[in-house]
Amino acid sequence: QVQLVESGGGVVQPGRSLRLSCTASGFTFSSYAMHWVRQAPGKGLEWVALISYDGSNKYYADSVKGRFTVSRDSSKNTLYLQMNSLRAEDTAVYYCVRYVQGYYYYVDVWGKGTTVTVSS
Amino acid sequence: EIVLTQSPGTLSLSPGERATLSCRASQSINSRYLVWYQQKPGQAPRLLIYGASSRATGIPDRFSGSGSGTDFTLTITSLEPEDFALYYCQQCGASPPYSFGQGTKLEIK
Repeated sequence: QVQLVESGGGVVQPGRSLRLSCTASGFTFSSYAMHWVRQAPGKGLEWVALISYDGSNKYYADSVKGRFTVSRDSSKNTLYLQMNSLRAEDTAVYYCVRYVQGYYYYVDVWGKGTTVTVSS
Repeated sequence: EIVLTQSPGTLSLSPGERATLSCRASQSINSRYLVWYQQKPGQAPRLLIYGASSRATGIPDRFSGSGSGTDFTLTITSLEPEDFALYYCQQCGASPPYSFGQGTKLEIK
């Protein structure tokens, strides 16, 4: 079945780095654009980044631009989020999601998420 | 940037009642890009409605979406106990940022 599994979360000090991974299965990963979405504790959903199906185009929320980098390795069916210069406000559950782009545009598959805590 | 405002923030209803949730955009959105999700505590969101009015696979027909331009509505007819959850709208348009509404909490009265 279609599945997304995130990993790499943890507790990290402010200013340090962390890399999240998302392994996809059950579908042709290289055919889909992918997003990262996050949710701070007790808060709503926040879009973080988008990477096109072939990795040629990348877009970021202003809150992470210049600090986070999204990438993908289709040979490994894996999506990444490199997070540098982490701040307390980056504390959140990070979800990897599949983006459908056809006549309609929508996110149809979510991973269970991985938790990032930025704290000294 | 398109800002989505959901109302009400919290909706208190009883099972069997009808729920009407609103999502208003700061500028016109192509309805093909308006999406609704449901999120239960401790779980990832789940796709409910895409294209403003098309139900996702497996979503019961008591859920329906409508609207166009800047005003969109999610309606749940005859609430079931499992429908009490958080609901988010999102614009998944052709260009970023792909903003979410702040959410509506549907709680049991």
